[in-house]
Amino acid sequence: SAVISQKPSRDICQRGTSLTIQCQVDSQVTMMFWYRQQPGQSLTLIATANQGSEATYESGFVIDKFPISRPNLTFSTLTVSNMSPEDSSIYLCSVGVPLYNEQFFGPGTRLTVL
Amino acid sequence: AQSVAQPEDQVNVAEGNPLTVKCTYSVSGNPYLFWYVQYPNRGLQFLLKYITGDNLVKGSYGFEAEFNKSQTSFHLKKPSALVSDSALYFCAVRFRPFSGGYNKLIFGAGTRLAVHP
Repeated sequence: SAVISQKPSRDICQRGTSLTIQCQVDSQVTMMFWYRQQPGQSLTLIATANQGSEATYESGFVIDKFPISRPNLTFSTLTVSNMSPEDSSIYLCSVGVPLYNEQFFGPGTRLTVL
Repeated sequence: AQSVAQPEDQVNVAEGNPLTVKCTYSVSGNPYLFWYVQYPNRGLQFLLKYITGDNLVKGSYGFEAEFNKSQTSFHLKKPSALVSDSALYFCAVRFRPFSGGYNKLIFGAGTRLAVHP
């Protein structure tokens, strides 16, 4: 399995500011994903971030609000821009491992926007 | 539309009793099915998967799940529940081969399992 770490683990931010979440994987992976889990809800895919290409966003999510970087095969960042209280969620990084047909998740970043 | 349903928001079980967490799916094509568990303040942990072959798959922590194609179900089971099994359980489906291209993992709403001493 892939070991995934995220920074920060949690943060409390003011409305209108931006937060960048980092995701580090202990092995090289092609497919990385960013998910949002709103309070009491299931996971919703924000975007797919494959190295060497632009991130692909799901319906309802746009690059201006959630810019993503994928500079190499072990690292990605998600920025939550111009935050509002509605952005308060857990943000999870995930990687796909085709060899095992599995997908692993990081511990998540718990974001609270005041 | 492709979807995953977990019909129970919460399942309550006494410790030592068998447990079942239900999952059904709507799909066109052959699905790959997964169960994940989320403990409080922690990320998702992979429990088990069905790709092909034997309909009964065994996973971590003594859990197992049975794929039923005719009923489009993939219920999670455990013969004897532990208090430490109390957590949030997610069923998930992927509808395309996971090699190249773009493959979206679709999650159910989640079921909270509460195991009482």
